[in-house]
Amino acid sequence: DTEVTQTPKHLVMGMTNKKSLKCEQHMGHRAMYWYKQKAKKPPELMFVYSYEKLSINESVPSRFSPECPNSSLLNLHLHALQPEDSALYLCASRDSGSDTQYFGPGTRLTVL
Amino acid sequence: AQSVTQLDSHVSVSEGTPVLLRCNYSSSYSPSLFWYVQHPNKGLQLLLKYTSAATLVKGINGFEAEFKKSETSFHLTKPSAHMSDAAEYFCVVTPSGTYKYIFGTGTRLKVLA
Repeated sequence: DTEVTQTPKHLVMGMTNKKSLKCEQHMGHRAMYWYKQKAKKPPELMFVYSYEKLSINESVPSRFSPECPNSSLLNLHLHALQPEDSALYLCASRDSGSDTQYFGPGTRLTVL
Repeated sequence: AQSVTQLDSHVSVSEGTPVLLRCNYSSSYSPSLFWYVQHPNKGLQLLLKYTSAATLVKGINGFEAEFKKSETSFHLTKPSAHMSDAAEYFCVVTPSGTYKYIFGTGTRLKVLA
């Protein structure tokens, strides 16, 4: 099974709301990723967790707050977002044996 | 510095004709190379990967790619396009020993009936 799940599929939020995105994998992968993807562009790396510790933060604004509660779960907490943060948010996990990333279906976020 | 160049932003083919999506990479060390496909509003699906075992790599849905070190290329091919192949394709490289993945800018494949 090479499945990464993400919830919710769609999210609409106002600029003052607080919401969270969730990602889950049960492949035993110890590295997990958040990407942001705008229309007609490749994914842009936001965060990498390795062994439940934040190892890469690509200078993401603090209104995005990642969390890795355990090796299977990855959250992205959202607060005071801007309309330009509207995008597809993708989660991925990495098989360290083959360096292969497996992606979830994404959460389509719209900020009003 | 590592980089990936997808030479065509758009490719159009007729159904049943061959597909060629071109990718060149730059990497100081032996990289791992991947092709992913993305249908509209979906996540990225792994098509195939090269990790130094064999230069000709077969993937899902009839796709294959050949790693040519001398040309620093990893072009994706399919003998006969199907309407369901219409999507965005990304060539991706990860240098060994890093957590980062470098994405090409993508090629949008259109399949004409």
